Amino acid sequence: EDKVVQSPLSLVVHEGDTVTLNCSYEVTNFRSLLWYKQEKKAPTFLFMLTSSGIEKKSGRLSSILDKKELSSILNITATQTGDSAIYLCAVDGNKLVFGAGTILRVKS
Amino acid sequence: EAGVTQSPTHLIKTRGQQVTLRCSPISGHTSVYWYQQALGLGLQFLLWYDEGEERNRGNFPPRFSGRQFPNYSSELNVNALELEDSALYLCASSFGHYTYNEQFFGPGTRLTVL
Repeated sequence: EDKVVQSPLSLVVHEGDTVTLNCSYEVTNFRSLLWYKQEKKAPTFLFMLTSSGIEKKSGRLSSILDKKELSSILNITATQTGDSAIYLCAVDGNKLVFGAGTILRVKS
Repeated sequence: EAGVTQSPTHLIKTRGQQVTLRCSPISGHTSVYWYQQALGLGLQFLLWYDEGEERNRGNFPPRFSGRQFPNYSSELNVNALELEDSALYLCASSFGHYTYNEQFFGPGTRLTVL
């Protein structure tokens, strides 16, 4: 059965810290890995990764995929209170499978 | 440009009843996806419709069904409601076929089953 595991489950940091969120997966027919940020209700898309070793960046956020290790990391540098959210990782295999998410809380 | 819209916002039903949730995708998007987010369980993929056809289905019983209309809007129907169906139901839409690339999510429908 396809599986996506995110770690840590939750994290509390101070503004300005750098955080690294992890996502590991076991899926058949891997096509892509996606990261989302979920604040109140609707998740918003962050990145889609298909190729190993190529970093995607958007401002203070970056992500990279390691197909050999079946994992991805999401880095957030110089965190701000607005980064507080649930970060979801999803893998597109035969179906789209989401991890349980990492709850990030950034304290001022 | 209007985003994905869902209705209703909240819904309270009792066990055994049936419910229909609605979703309108972003203009130009042909794919609609439905997800269930129950408390503590994360996002679970329910259904994917594209061009009016069901393209993929998650591990949910047949009492979860839906359809997509010619204008690409979609309905999710849940029959014989059970207490564990209480959840946030999210709809998302995207361009293109055979890809989950860059889905845009609606605000969700909060369903409570008593």
